[in-house]
Amino acid sequence: KNQVEQSPQSLIILEGKNCTLQCNYTVSPFSNLRWYKQDTGRGPVSLTIMTFSENTKSNGRYTATLDADTKQSSLHITASQLSDSASYICVVSDRDDKIIFGKGTRLHILP
Amino acid sequence: DAGITQSPRYKITETGRQVTLMCHQTWSHSYMFWYRQDLGHGLRLIYYSAAADITDKGEVPDGYVVSRSKTENFPLTLESATRSQTSVYFCASRSQLYTGELFFGEGSRLTVL
Repeated sequence: KNQVEQSPQSLIILEGKNCTLQCNYTVSPFSNLRWYKQDTGRGPVSLTIMTFSENTKSNGRYTATLDADTKQSSLHITASQLSDSASYICVVSDRDDKIIFGKGTRLHILP
Repeated sequence: DAGITQSPRYKITETGRQVTLMCHQTWSHSYMFWYRQDLGHGLRLIYYSAAADITDKGEVPDGYVVSRSKTENFPLTLESATRSQTSVYFCASRSQLYTGELFFGEGSRLTVL
């Protein structure tokens, strides 16, 4: 069964610190993986997309990695800011264009 | 402002009533989607549409009806609301298959009493 598992479920860090969010998937055949950021009370917004041949993609302080062999991805946030407080959702698509959502990691940044 | 808009943003209704959530996009994207988001479940697909007059069921379609007479509009109707349909509903659009980004609306929070 195609699944996307994210860890941790929630995370609290101090402003200025770095953190890494994890995503493991069993989706096959794999097409691409996106990380979305969802602020409280808002819709998700795409941060990065990675296809099979890509293993690192950056968007400002956000860096996503992909290991297609182990079916793992991570999202690293550098020098966190209060505005990074949000849910981060890992979304994997298969080659039939079925989209599978993870349940998200809730990140809290404390001043 | 261009984009994807949902209305109403908040709705309280009673069991058995009909409710329609509206979704409008200004990009002329072919694909549109309705998701519901509940604690512990993440986003689940209710219905989607590949073009005007083409709709298809998603993962949790029971109790919902959609239509798409125009490319830009994709309303979602709960014909007889139940308490289990209390949720936050998100409409999304996408310009292309496969690597196309999903663009989400701001969500409609529905409470069924």
